[in-house]
Amino acid sequence: ETGVTQSPTHLIKTRGQQVTLRCSSQSGHNTVSWYQQALGQGPQFIFQYYREEENGRGNFPPRFSGLQFPNYSSELNVNALELDDSALYLCASSLARGGHSGNTIYFGEGSWLTVV
Amino acid sequence: AQSVTQLGSHVSVSEGALVLLRCNYSSSVPPYLFWYVQYPNQGLQLLLKYTTGATLVKGINGFEAEFKKSETSFHLTKPSAHMSDAAEYFCAVSLNTGNQFYFGTGTSLTVIP
Repeated sequence: ETGVTQSPTHLIKTRGQQVTLRCSSQSGHNTVSWYQQALGQGPQFIFQYYREEENGRGNFPPRFSGLQFPNYSSELNVNALELDDSALYLCASSLARGGHSGNTIYFGEGSWLTVV
Repeated sequence: AQSVTQLGSHVSVSEGALVLLRCNYSSSVPPYLFWYVQYPNQGLQLLLKYTTGATLVKGINGFEAEFKKSETSFHLTKPSAHMSDAAEYFCAVSLNTGNQFYFGTGTSLTVIP
């Protein structure tokens, strides 16, 4: 139990639609990162939010966007869904940005997105 | 650029045998190194991490890993495999100046009774 909760756990969308995934970070954590894990692959960094501002982005197109709220919860939005967007989306929270002092990140159980 | 290579996408061991999962990394600066485990339909759970200091680190469930800078390796070991160890294992690296983790492609561990 990491204290990071994600919703929904599973969803199916049609190509071209938009999706919003939600994440509640562990209590006291001000940093949230989102990762995409395709089947059989390791997680790939999408972006990170620190105190409501984007603090780094991986190699993902602009149709992947996010928000962090004052309570440090977060949303991942994906527009114009493509079949290749089908994956497990993981949210991770941490106490501080990045790898500061080898900061540990705690993952939620993820949201399975299937695009048909 | 940072990257992580996990040798062997699938590893099978007998129950009670040594577990060895290999991880090599490349990094332009001294990295922080992590091993995570993922059980079916679950998120990632931290097994252990190396930041600074002692190069042999002990984690949960009897796992340990040794940071070898000269070999750019961070292999994960456990002396005696248990059936409950069957899972996917991911090695990851982060930088002390960065904001993201770089993961390997994972190693699926099967434990044979």
